[in-house]
Amino acid sequence: AQRVTQPEKLLSVFKGAPVELKCNYSYSGSPELFWYVQYSRQRLQLLLRHISRESIKGFTADLNKGETSFHLKKPFAQEEDSAMYYCALSGGDDMRFGAGTRLTVKP
Amino acid sequence: NAGVTQTPKFRILKIGQSMTLQCTQDMNHNYMYWYRQDPGMGLKLIYYSVGAGITDKGEVPNGYNVSRSTTEDFPLRLELAAPSQTSVYFCASRLGQGNEKLFFGSGTQLSVL
Repeated sequence: AQRVTQPEKLLSVFKGAPVELKCNYSYSGSPELFWYVQYSRQRLQLLLRHISRESIKGFTADLNKGETSFHLKKPFAQEEDSAMYYCALSGGDDMRFGAGTRLTVKP
Repeated sequence: NAGVTQTPKFRILKIGQSMTLQCTQDMNHNYMYWYRQDPGMGLKLIYYSVGAGITDKGEVPNGYNVSRSTTEDFPLRLELAAPSQTSVYFCASRLGQGNEKLFFGSGTQLSVL
């Protein structure tokens, strides 16, 4: 069965500091991995997916199959990055989510 | 373009009551999902559907039922509401499987007292 683990429920950094949100997964096949974000009073939305290998709002994530990880990184955090972040894995038809990490960026 | 629409936005139920959470999408997506969001637990998949007439259980299906008679609609039914079903419920859809992204509704906040 597929499983997504986000070990940090809360993460707090100062503006301008680097940030890394951890995500580990367990899946026997070839996974499709995503990061979704939920800003205050907004809908959950896609931030990025590993297949695209893109940078969105300064965030990047690299799939490391050896370590079964898909950590989300940003070199310089901004206050507007404060939100709830979810790592997700699609093993075919369904999509499973981790427990989420609430990121707070302090001024 | 409405996207994914959920109704109602808020609801309070008494223990043992029944209700249906409505979800409709206008993007002609084949795949639709129901999740519940609990603090510290993330989103848990309740049921999903890969097309009209096809539904499948997710991680936490007990206490819920779904149907998919049309491509657009995917209602979630609670037959005998229990306090453990107090949660925020999200409906989502996507065009296909694999690396296709989810589009989410705005959520339904349900309290069972």
